[in-house]
Amino acid sequence: ETGVTQTPRHLVMGMTNKKSLKCEQHLGHNAMYWYKQSAKKPLELMFVYNFKEQTENNSVPSRFSPECPNSSHLFLHLHTLQPEDSALYLCASSQDFRTSGPQETQYFGPGTRLLVL
Amino acid sequence: GQQLNQSPQSMFIQEGEDVSMNCTSSSIFNTWLWYKQDPGEGPVLLIALYKAGELTSNGRLTAQFGITRKDSFLNISASIPSDVGIYFCAGRDRNYGGSQGNLIFGKGTKLSVKP
Repeated sequence: ETGVTQTPRHLVMGMTNKKSLKCEQHLGHNAMYWYKQSAKKPLELMFVYNFKEQTENNSVPSRFSPECPNSSHLFLHLHTLQPEDSALYLCASSQDFRTSGPQETQYFGPGTRLLVL
Repeated sequence: GQQLNQSPQSMFIQEGEDVSMNCTSSSIFNTWLWYKQDPGEGPVLLIALYKAGELTSNGRLTAQFGITRKDSFLNISASIPSDVGIYFCAGRDRNYGGSQGNLIFGKGTKLSVKP
């Protein structure tokens, strides 16, 4: 138990569906992250939020839409996805590295395994 | 963009063997982290390193921050079956801030049990 929870753990959706992934952290952190993990590739950073503000969008297609209503919750809204979007989506949290410096460490949730048909 | 080279990509272990894996970067890092990921789970932090030359242990695991600040290794001594999984290195460029403050991950080393 890392203090970061994600729901659902598994999701199957069609290309025309709309769904949302949820992440919650109980660590008092200020930064939250979405990563995509595909087979045989390094983790790909998608979005970063610091103090509820989006500070990073790594050229992610608009069919992925993040939302961070507060420092403890992060959502990833999914709309008209493609089969190649099937992957494990990981949420992570940390203290804001701009204040913590290099000692900022990210803690991951268990992930949502997404399959797009 | 920056990349980390993690090797080996996979290895087979026999119970009781020592295991070693490493990561190298093309630029100088000020943080090295080692994570382990079990099937169906997210990565779990094993060891964090913040100073060049630092050697840190966590039970049977030992990791070192290379003197050149461009590499790190992880050793597992006397491996046991529950050590199987994927081990990831991650690092942060010394010029952190903005996108450079975020972690860069290796592709992972998959540890399996010898048949």
